Amino acid sequence: DVKVTQSSRYLVKRTGEKVFLECVQDMDHENMFWYRQDPGLGLRLIYFSYDVKMKEKGDIPEGYSVSREKKERFSLILESASTNQTSMYLCASSPGTARTEAFFGQGTRLTVV
Amino acid sequence: AQTVTQSQPEMSVQEAETVTLSCTYDTSESDYYLFWYKQPPSRQMILVIRQEAYKQQNATENRFSVNFQKAAKSFSLKISDSQLGDAAMYFCAYNTNAGKSTFGDGTTLTVKP
Repeated sequence: DVKVTQSSRYLVKRTGEKVFLECVQDMDHENMFWYRQDPGLGLRLIYFSYDVKMKEKGDIPEGYSVSREKKERFSLILESASTNQTSMYLCASSPGTARTEAFFGQGTRLTVV
Repeated sequence: AQTVTQSQPEMSVQEAETVTLSCTYDTSESDYYLFWYKQPPSRQMILVIRQEAYKQQNATENRFSVNFQKAAKSFSLKISDSQLGDAAMYFCAYNTNAGKSTFGDGTTLTVKP
């Protein structure tokens, strides 16, 4: 079974903290993604990586950075967490071809207080 | 850039009845893939069905089928014989050749017993 694993289901952090969200996939996929999911706004792409150490900004990269040092791991970093970053964060991976779907992790519900 | 629009934020259906979820998209490409994903309350997003744009035949997976109208850029999902387990948020998505997905805002489906 293919698997995308996010390190935490629920996370509570304080304003100004540096936050790391980790995602690991075991499918040797080229592409990895971080999305933010908010009610009424669907899934918005934060960052996309198509290879190790390669990244591309998505639709809402402000306030976020990413790291992909190994193919299987893609980290989302909130440099200085703010309350407007309270959200559901979804990680996904895909093989890098149009015909194959994305495989998702279970999501991390981040609350910034 | 591609856009995906789901015009129905919420839908409801009686158990055993049929429901259709709407999706339209915009693209200048001639070949691409379209997907419907399901996100149950447990949050892990899974693939429901995929459609290849150059195939005329509408995709079918058991009780799930699509009505793909390429000229109209419409891609609706029909769920027949609805079951309580079909209750979820459904997302329509478009894949670029690089395997990067654009998602609609989602439709929350309620199934009434």
